[in-house]
Amino acid sequence: DGGITQSPKYLFRKEGQNVTLSCEQNLNHDAMYWYRQDPGQGLRLIYYSQIVNDFQKGDIAEGYSVSREKKESFPLTVTSAQKNPTAFYLCASRNGVGGGVNEQFFGPGTRLTVL
Amino acid sequence: AQSVAQPEDQVNVAEGNPLTVKCTYSVSGNPYLFWYVQYPNRGLQFLLKYITGDNLVKGSYGFEAEFNKSQTSFHLKKPSALVSDSALYFCAVRDNAGNMLTFGGGTRLMVKP
Repeated sequence: DGGITQSPKYLFRKEGQNVTLSCEQNLNHDAMYWYRQDPGQGLRLIYYSQIVNDFQKGDIAEGYSVSREKKESFPLTVTSAQKNPTAFYLCASRNGVGGGVNEQFFGPGTRLTVL
Repeated sequence: AQSVAQPEDQVNVAEGNPLTVKCTYSVSGNPYLFWYVQYPNRGLQFLLKYITGDNLVKGSYGFEAEFNKSQTSFHLKKPSALVSDSALYFCAVRDNAGNMLTFGGGTRLMVKP
């Protein structure tokens, strides 16, 4: 899982609560990403950030929010507006320097369950 | 917009036999393609990528992939499967701006002893 850490590994939330998932990388990567994975489905992009203090919505941003105050950190908040938040959440980072076609490196994931 | 299709939800192979996991893609411009593997309750691990050049790309753990432009395919292959190769495999294509990956739905590979 490289130099990307996600915490917690498991998270339980009551309906109506906001929760924040942590993602930290020590790879000095410029770009960071959040994906959601549901059983039987591929990864869907929630948000991504190319540089500090800037981020863009992905395909399924509704009900989620992010911040990028530091290069190494990209926390994801799952708000109460997210109707079906139970899923496996994956954070990734990519070295964007030099314009090469660089792969994304993934963290170990956080499994969120709404009770 | 780009897209990726993995037509098989599951592939079953006997240990020692060759394996193929299929992937087709759609993208405008040059295709930049990736394969990742995921073990249970873990993040994705990068296997290999195609940028340009040789149509046969070699990657980690003995895997390789064959790029076919006319068929818009990027199939993952391994000459001799191991039980430990059993996992979920994802194909992905990068968008033209270089910012995002679009993933296929995944193919579960089961290698039986």
